[in-house]
Amino acid sequence: DSGVTQTPKHLITATGQRVTLRCSPRSGDLSVYWYQQSLDQGLQFLIHYYNGEERAKGNILERFSAQQFPDLHSELNLSSLELGDSALYFCASSVDRNTDTQYFGPGTRLTVL
Amino acid sequence: SQQGEEDPQALSIQEGENATMNCSYKTSINNLQWYRQNSGRGLVHLILIRSNEREKHSGRLRVTLDTSKKSSSLLITASRAADTASYFCAAAGGTSYGKLTFGQGTILTVHP
Repeated sequence: DSGVTQTPKHLITATGQRVTLRCSPRSGDLSVYWYQQSLDQGLQFLIHYYNGEERAKGNILERFSAQQFPDLHSELNLSSLELGDSALYFCASSVDRNTDTQYFGPGTRLTVL
Repeated sequence: SQQGEEDPQALSIQEGENATMNCSYKTSINNLQWYRQNSGRGLVHLILIRSNEREKHSGRLRVTLDTSKKSSSLLITASRAADTASYFCAAAGGTSYGKLTFGQGTILTVHP
């Protein structure tokens, strides 16, 4: 158990809908990262937050947005969902904003029908 | 696109044998990390090697890093059936701060 929690574990929804994925980092970790894992794209970095501020953006679509709250938990919002958004979404956390070990949550499996 | 490229894509061995996986990356790094993933579950951190290190050991794991060739290898000695998983290298640093850039992964199957 990494100490990173993600909810929900599974999410099934329809095209055009909007969903919110939630992540709680390990106690004491200030950085939260979001990654998407799909069969065709592999593991892709989406976005990094450090202590409430956005630090880096990867290949994150404009339909996707994220935020980190004062209690350090983070939410990833996916809107106008398409079939191709079906994937595993992982959250990871680390102590600070640099390139330290990242601890991954169990992931949320999103299926868009 | 993936910065890290791994080789082989799949590896099948018998219990007790050693498994070697290789990874190449494209840009400068602060460190390189290896992760394991069991069948669609979360990634488990295995080992981190910094850019100024050449070799690192952790239990049955040995990682090497050659920054001149932009490559790394992961050796698992005396493999067990429980080592069956996908293994990913992840390049960290340069101008990317905390972002990890993952390779495509090596699927390791250890037969009992």
